[in-house]
Amino acid sequence: NAGVMQNPRHLVRRRGQEARLRCSPMKGHSHVYWYRQLPEEGLKFMVYLQKENIIDESGMPKERFSAEFPKEGPSILRIQQVVRGDSAAYFCASSSMGGELFFGEGSRLTVL
Amino acid sequence: DQQVKQNSPSLSVQEGRISILNCDYTNSMFDYFLWYKKYPAEGPTFLISISSIKDKNEDGRFTVFLNKSAKHLSLHIVPSQPGDSAVYFCAANRVSGGDMRFGAGTRLTVKP
Repeated sequence: NAGVMQNPRHLVRRRGQEARLRCSPMKGHSHVYWYRQLPEEGLKFMVYLQKENIIDESGMPKERFSAEFPKEGPSILRIQQVVRGDSAAYFCASSSMGGELFFGEGSRLTVL
Repeated sequence: DQQVKQNSPSLSVQEGRISILNCDYTNSMFDYFLWYKKYPAEGPTFLISISSIKDKNEDGRFTVFLNKSAKHLSLHIVPSQPGDSAVYFCAANRVSGGDMRFGAGTRLTVKP
């Protein structure tokens, strides 16, 4: 089953540490999206990437957050100097051009 | 900016009755609309979609209606089953590509 793979599924970090979340899209998909779901809230768009390009990062916080989708390897969402408010489920999705999104199972970040 | 809105955070219906979930959007450039279903601790899964050239799409117990002039869509589930209990997200996109925007979700509870 070559679905969207996210890892780690669960990540615990202390305040000030770095969190790296990885996402491998479905085979044949070149579009990757990251969404954040805070407790009791909906899915918030963060960033949309194609290989080696950030297409839309309008949902990304201006500081501490970055994303990449290199030519080889998974997409990475990086959160530097994490704070408690970063605790959330981070979902990655992939698609072919204009198609529906297929989501991974999410990475749950807990900041102590 | 909330381009896709689901104003009802929750909905409770009796098994066998109809569930109607509503969604409004503001961006007239959207021409492709989707509904996703999400169980706890899982990623959202695609349920049904509709493009702007249609006003109705049906798939088994699920029907999506689109009213372009009102920028409104709805998901009808009939008959509702307890296994339909989940959070339902409305999403909108452009067929030509771009980031997909989600509503905040509606938690549906179907009581036996």
